[in-house]
Amino acid sequence: SQQGEEDPQALSIQEGENATMNCSYKTSINNLQWYRQNSGRGLVHLILIRSNEREKHSGRLRVTLDTSKKSSSLLITASRAADTASYFCATGPMDSNYQLIWGAGTKLIIKP
Amino acid sequence: GAGVSQTPSNKVTEKGKYVELRCDPISGHTALYWYRQSLGQGPEFLIYFQGTGAADDSGLPNDRFFAVRPEGSVSTLKIQRTERGDSAVYLCASSLGLAGDSYNEQFFGPGTRLTVL
Repeated sequence: SQQGEEDPQALSIQEGENATMNCSYKTSINNLQWYRQNSGRGLVHLILIRSNEREKHSGRLRVTLDTSKKSSSLLITASRAADTASYFCATGPMDSNYQLIWGAGTKLIIKP
Repeated sequence: GAGVSQTPSNKVTEKGKYVELRCDPISGHTALYWYRQSLGQGPEFLIYFQGTGAADDSGLPNDRFFAVRPEGSVSTLKIQRTERGDSAVYLCASSLGLAGDSYNEQFFGPGTRLTVL
């Protein structure tokens, strides 16, 4: 079963604009991660945020986590055509150091 | 290359046939995972190996699915009597397999697209 739900399901923006994707989950977590999947390629790990962290940055990526609302957001600033991909959030449960529970993803299209 | 590799990249088979999907993890990674991903969905966990043993096979949908990792490196996912509903991308991932509270980042292969006609 899938725990995370990404919102929106699809997002289309102009190159240079910022893209925001949201993820909600149901149970207590140890960490939350965001992955990118390009068409025909495997999943690439983008960023991990632990349950005791509220915000994390990596290059043009900014992730926030609100454990009280069981939600996270991924912001991509100054988007580029190469950012076109599907983005997934995956949660790591409290009682496991290997399990990941995935959402259905947000399909992001960056228009040149 | 140093990443996770999977073969074949595409497999087309007929209903009722047997298939094997192979995964070569990153050298030194003791943990290996199989997932299944249907179109428009996130990955669905199938099985997790720590070394040679299946530490968690709770995601295998039924007894037609079986996976092995005899030497603690390469793994093979085996599907017997394939059904059309088995069509999906099968993803393999590996990680260091550290114990305790250390989180183990998973590195994914490109997947095998299985089509059952």
